[in-house]
Amino acid sequence: KNQVEQSPQSLIILEGKNCTLQCNYTVSPFSNLRWYKQDTGRGPVSLTIMTFSENTKSNGRYTATLDADTKQSSLHITASQLSDSASYICVVSAIGSQGNLIFGKGTKLSVKP
Amino acid sequence: NAGVTQTPKFRVLKTGQSMTLLCAQDMNHEYMYWYRQDPGMGLRLIHYSVGEGTTAKGEVPDGYNVSRLKKQNFLLGLESAAPSQTSVYFCASRMDRGSITEAFFGQGTRLTVV
Repeated sequence: KNQVEQSPQSLIILEGKNCTLQCNYTVSPFSNLRWYKQDTGRGPVSLTIMTFSENTKSNGRYTATLDADTKQSSLHITASQLSDSASYICVVSAIGSQGNLIFGKGTKLSVKP
Repeated sequence: NAGVTQTPKFRVLKTGQSMTLLCAQDMNHEYMYWYRQDPGMGLRLIHYSVGEGTTAKGEVPDGYNVSRLKKQNFLLGLESAAPSQTSVYFCASRMDRGSITEAFFGQGTRLTVV
């Protein structure tokens, strides 16, 4: 069964600190993995995408990694800001999935001053 | 470019009432989805469509119906609302470009059934 598991479920950090969110998946055949940020009361917005051949990709203070062998991805946030407080959702697409995207349940990040 | 637009943004229904949620996208995407999001559950797929005139059931389709008469619109209907359908509903459309996939989400509809 195609599944995406995220950890931790929630995380509280102080402003300026770094953090890493984890995503493990059992989706096959794998097409790509995308991290979304969802602010409270809003729809998810894409942060970065990882395809099979990519190991790491940065988008400002966000850096995503992918290990296709172990089927793990991480999202590292550097020098956190209050505006980083949100839920971060890992979404995996399978090849030939008839349009279906497999969602993790998300990690709720709270950045405190 | 509006992207994905959902209407209404908020709604309160009485048990047994019916309503339709409208999702419109202006990106010419083939795939469209309806999800519900409940605390601690993440996004769960209700129904989806892979093109105009097609619909398919997702993970939690019971109590909902959908229609995709026009490519740009995907409607979600509740025939007889139940309190268990209190949730936030998100519509999304999907872009595929080779191995690159991206879902674009609407701003959500917060539905309360009393």
